[in-house]
Amino acid sequence: SQTIHQWPATLVQPVGSPLSLECTVEGTSNPNLYWYRQAAGRGLQLLFYSVGIGQISSEVPQNLSASRPQDRQFILSSKKLLLSDSGFYLCAWSVREVQPQHFGDGTRLSIL
Amino acid sequence: GDSVTQMEGPVTLSEEAFLTINCTYTATGYPSLFWYVQYPGEGLQLLLKATKADDKGSNKGFEATYRKETTSFHLEKGSVQVSDSAVYFCALSDRGGGSNYKLTFGKGTLLTVNP
Repeated sequence: SQTIHQWPATLVQPVGSPLSLECTVEGTSNPNLYWYRQAAGRGLQLLFYSVGIGQISSEVPQNLSASRPQDRQFILSSKKLLLSDSGFYLCAWSVREVQPQHFGDGTRLSIL
Repeated sequence: GDSVTQMEGPVTLSEEAFLTINCTYTATGYPSLFWYVQYPGEGLQLLLKATKADDKGSNKGFEATYRKETTSFHLEKGSVQVSDSAVYFCALSDRGGGSNYKLTFGKGTLLTVNP
């Protein structure tokens, strides 16, 4: 069966520090991968999606970037965090473009 | 473009009460419809889905019917439990709308069930 892992589960970072969140999927090949942010415990905002290694599409211009160095690995990064980057970050995968998407447990990011 | 509108709540019910969370959508192609549930501090879990008109998705006592004529996908449960307390998201993917790679989410409905 397929599983998705995100880490860390919780992260507290100072303003201006770098960020790296990692997501890996097991049990499937060539998945579509997604990063979402959820602010204030409610609505989801799609940040990035990827249909293959090295292929990243950005949905919203921002302080963040994403990379996909391996087929089942998706990384969310920032060079300098802002206070507004606080939130709950969720990674998801799907079988190519076929829905539904399956979500990880999320990373709660707090910026001080 | 595609959109999902759901009642934002919060919804507070007593245990064993009947639950309805309304969801309506607009889509340009051929949408599939989903309900996700998010328990406190966790990620989203797929609760149920329907891929074509008149399909009924069901899981864990929850049901939703894809109504094309009313563009709706309301979530129902006959008797809620305290353990159903969570945020519920309605979502769609649009196979013919040029954006079948993505899910469009409603804003979520917080459900609290009291004993």
